[in-house]
Amino acid sequence: DAGVTQSPTHLIKTRGQQVTLRCSPISGHKSVSWYQQVLGQGPQFIFQYYEKEERGRGNFPDRFSARQFPNYSSELNVNALLLGDSALYLCASRHSGTAKGYGYTFGSGTRLTVV
Amino acid sequence: QKEVEQDPGPLSVPEGAIVSLNCTYSNSAFQYFMWYRQYSRKGPELLMYTYSSGNKEDGRFTAQVDKSSKYISLFIRDSQPSDSATYLCAMSLITQGGSEKLVFGKGTKLTVNP
Repeated sequence: DAGVTQSPTHLIKTRGQQVTLRCSPISGHKSVSWYQQVLGQGPQFIFQYYEKEERGRGNFPDRFSARQFPNYSSELNVNALLLGDSALYLCASRHSGTAKGYGYTFGSGTRLTVV
Repeated sequence: QKEVEQDPGPLSVPEGAIVSLNCTYSNSAFQYFMWYRQYSRKGPELLMYTYSSGNKEDGRFTAQVDKSSKYISLFIRDSQPSDSATYLCAMSLITQGGSEKLVFGKGTKLTVNP
């Protein structure tokens, strides 16, 4: 059974550019969350999507946006990249029937470097 | 004050040692408590999950929660080199909109030496 898949694995972008990161959840998982993990820090919540609707948003600027598609895959977009956006971007999927806090499966992430 | 505080270490122990990892938190709204393990270049994987004060054991791992002190711990018995990883505490928070987010500590990097 495939886990959460993210693409690309690594990415190098220039300041001011835009980037799109992709996530395919585990089959049957309708909830997708995005997290940013800066080197040496724990992951920080960016977005949660469920049934194609945004259900939660963390403390990130409007340069960050996301969407979820009918097949429950998701994209995270970041515009006007800053050096500080360099991080590991993690996607987590979860079955809607699981208990609160439980059942999040993370992908291996996309390592974004902004130069 | 950060919502979740975790000593980043690093922590280095000999094989077979008992490891103790800790986090403190400030938000009483946290209801569910987790420990994740993250190997280099991988995403976090769930190790332990609990929602009540007390101890929960799973093999060599014991999770302890003290809600009155806002303190959680993870104990690893008979530590193995394969336990070398970063350990993240995480807490579940239900947002005003009804969604859920996980709030993580910084992570503690553990090395178990053969």
